[in-house]
Amino acid sequence: EAQVTQNPRYLITVTGKKLTVTCSQNMNHEYMSWYRQDPGLGLRQIYYSMNVEVTDKGDVPEGYKVSRKEKRNFPLILESPSPNQTSLYFCASSLSRSYNSPLHFGNGTRLTVT
Amino acid sequence: ELKVEQNPLFLSMQEGKNYTIYCNYSTTSDRLYWYRQDPGKSLESLFVLLSNGAVKQEGRLMASLDTKARLSTLHITAAVHDLSATYFCAVDPWAPVGSGNTGKLIFGQGTTLQVKP
Repeated sequence: EAQVTQNPRYLITVTGKKLTVTCSQNMNHEYMSWYRQDPGLGLRQIYYSMNVEVTDKGDVPEGYKVSRKEKRNFPLILESPSPNQTSLYFCASSLSRSYNSPLHFGNGTRLTVT
Repeated sequence: ELKVEQNPLFLSMQEGKNYTIYCNYSTTSDRLYWYRQDPGKSLESLFVLLSNGAVKQEGRLMASLDTKARLSTLHITAAVHDLSATYFCAVDPWAPVGSGNTGKLIFGQGTTLQVKP
């Protein structure tokens, strides 16, 4: 089944403790992206990757890192989480931005930082 | 800075009624997407609109794009309870000529639709 898989689904952590949210897709998609969803703000783009080893900042990249060493994986790293990073996070992928294809979203990761 | 604004943000309507959700954006683009999110769930793609005047229909939903007005609409015909969800529009900002598509995709705040029996 074609899907975008995020783990974990729920995560509670403390300020400053490094964490990684994994994202994997099995559709051979070139493009992947991370979003955070907060009430009243819609989805805001954190980072995106047009292809392997090609990443770039979205609108809210501060406090986050990403890497794209393989086509299928696009982990989101919070080196020193803070309470303002408490949010619902979505990973998404699409075939390629060149084809204007829609995004396929993962099921989300709800992160709480205390 | 590209802004994408939806209105209304919340819509409560009776079954059988018609209504329209508006998505305004602040920069040149001819690529706009509509997504649906059910409570506690992920987002799923509804429509991809790729040119001025594009119109797409699926069941009771119809989406259109007017790039000159920088406006997309999502029209709901004879609403049913199953359409209750949050609807997002997303805009792919225009890249400089010759540079290909950007990787950015800017979402509106979302419109929560509640259809009452």
